[in-house]
Amino acid sequence: EPEVTQTPSHQVTQMGQEVILRCVPISNHLYFYWYRQILGQKVEFLVSFYNNEISEKSEIFDDQFSVERPDGSNFTLKIRSTKLEDSAMYFCASSTTGGYGYTFGSGTRLTVV
Amino acid sequence: QKEVEQDPGPLSVPEGAIVSLNCTYSNSAFQYFMWYRQYSRKGPELLMYTYSSGNKEDGRFTAQVDKSSKYISLFIRDSQPSDSATYLCAMSGRGSTLGRLYFGRGTQLTVWP
Repeated sequence: EPEVTQTPSHQVTQMGQEVILRCVPISNHLYFYWYRQILGQKVEFLVSFYNNEISEKSEIFDDQFSVERPDGSNFTLKIRSTKLEDSAMYFCASSTTGGYGYTFGSGTRLTVV
Repeated sequence: QKEVEQDPGPLSVPEGAIVSLNCTYSNSAFQYFMWYRQYSRKGPELLMYTYSSGNKEDGRFTAQVDKSSKYISLFIRDSQPSDSATYLCAMSGRGSTLGRLYFGRGTQLTVWP
């Protein structure tokens, strides 16, 4: 069964450093997303991406965040200057339809120290 | 923001029991209703989705949506220890928010042999 692949599975970074989280969506999917889940809290929407541009972003997705699809297969989330409160599981997802039927990756656990 | 409310549990049942999981929501624009299963330190896995009101059955799982009450349910018949996981409800709307999922907090379910 096709999978969304995320790397690394765990990343530890110092506060103020830049991190790039990487995702390989399912190949025929057209819609791409990033979500995050702080320990014990809800899964929260960050951003959606379609047709090589951001289609929607949440209030969490401020100027410190950016997304890119540098080639036909990768989808990345960059956090420019990490804060302690950025520590969370970050999930990439993709879908053919937009709106439902997402496939999520296994996530990257980001720990900011 | 309390768009989607879900009792976090934990819920503990014996093998073979019928499990009922529920969510309420406040946004009448939601059109798609989903249930995801999440194992520890893994990404959410789509179980079922329903468009608008009504019931949908898939094996031992039945999803119900009552838009008039803004209430959705997931029933698991003949529950198995392998069903032990966190169950997340999620919803999305139409228009500009079509791609964005709003999640409940998740209900932690344990099925003991």
